[in-house]
Amino acid sequence: DVKVTQSSRYLVKRTGEKVFLECVQDMDHENMFWYRQDPGLGLRLIYFSYDVKMKEKGDIPEGYSVSREKKERFSLILESASTNQTSMYLCASSFSTSGSYEQYFGPGTRLTVT
Amino acid sequence: SQQGEEDPQALSIQEGENATMNCSYKTSINNLQWYRQNSGRGLVHLILIRSNEREKHSGRLRVTLDTSKKSSSLLITASRAADTASYFCATEGGSEKLVFGKGTKLTVNP
Repeated sequence: DVKVTQSSRYLVKRTGEKVFLECVQDMDHENMFWYRQDPGLGLRLIYFSYDVKMKEKGDIPEGYSVSREKKERFSLILESASTNQTSMYLCASSFSTSGSYEQYFGPGTRLTVT
Repeated sequence: SQQGEEDPQALSIQEGENATMNCSYKTSINNLQWYRQNSGRGLVHLILIRSNEREKHSGRLRVTLDTSKKSSSLLITASRAADTASYFCATEGGSEKLVFGKGTKLTVNP
């Protein structure tokens, strides 16, 4: 079974803090993704990475950065947390098989910025 | 860029009834996928249907795809309380990225 783990289930940070969200997958997937999920807005893609040290902006990259130094690990960084970044953050990974891109998700991190 | 739009936003049924959720999208796709999310958890992949397929089954799930209408439906037959979750469609149009809809919240009452 593919396993995607996220470093924390719940996180509370203060405005202005630098926040690191970690995601690890154990299936040697090339692609990794960070989404945020807000009520009424669904899942929105923040960043994704298709290889080590490679990254591409998603739909809402402002205020975020990412790091992928190893294939299995993809980190999301909030440089200076703000209250509007309070959200559920979901990490996912995928492997291209026959042109399908089924994504495997971690359990999510519910971040509260106060 | 939100592509898939699920309908209805919320659905409440009794155990044993069938549940139908619809998804509409805007641009051409390679495949369309359905995911389930239990409250406060990550998403779980349910089923994928390719653009050249019209119908697909997996257990109690039946998915249809009409590329001329740019729409898909997910049917869950003989629903159970454990099917209570949010259901999302996601479209893939030729890159590694998926574009998710906003989801349908299904409640199955015992």
